[in-house]
Amino acid sequence: GENVEQHPSTLSVQEGDSAVIKCTYSDSASNYFPWYKQELGKRPQLIIDIRSNVGEKKDQRIAVTLNKTAKHFSLHITETQPEDSAVYFCAASQTGNQFYFGTGTSLTVIP
Amino acid sequence: GAVVSQHPSWVICKSGTSVKIECRSLDFQATTMFWYRQFPKQSLMLMATSNEGSKATYEQGVEKDKFLINHASLTLSTLTVTSAHPEDSSFYICSARAGDRVGYTFGSGTRLTVV
Repeated sequence: GENVEQHPSTLSVQEGDSAVIKCTYSDSASNYFPWYKQELGKRPQLIIDIRSNVGEKKDQRIAVTLNKTAKHFSLHITETQPEDSAVYFCAASQTGNQFYFGTGTSLTVIP
Repeated sequence: GAVVSQHPSWVICKSGTSVKIECRSLDFQATTMFWYRQFPKQSLMLMATSNEGSKATYEQGVEKDKFLINHASLTLSTLTVTSAHPEDSSFYICSARAGDRVGYTFGSGTRLTVV
């Protein structure tokens, strides 16, 4: 089955700085890679996603890059704000099927 | 659109009893729903895939007789934790895919505490 690894497990940045979270996956058949943000005690919320036929996608302060050859993808958050503090999960999936999640990154943005 | 409702949000039960958790898609039909388990400060672990009208597909290591899944309609899947024990205490969360959308929509989760 798919194995998704995520680093770092915790990340602290100063407000305004950038944050980068990296994930690797094992199954070359995976073709859809979403990122979720989960605040304490709440449900995960999709923040951005990327398909395997795209190398990069950007949505305002959030961007995701994908390297299919190396089987890794990254989340980039620029100009971080305190409200970005949360746990972020990457996931890998064959489109429409089960998602396998990374271990999560707890991001703290220091005002 | 694409709202998933999950009930109860929090349940405390005695060891040895069974607990049923409901996951409903409110404004779309979901032929497939997924059940995840999340321990504190850990990731979401896929437990099973719930298919409407057929048996659920369980991930390796998940006891199907322990975690009973029923997906009797296109808008409802239930997870029953049978003979619950304290080690079953966890956050259980369901998700569904709406139509042609690729991404999941998650339920609000159920915090189960077995005492």
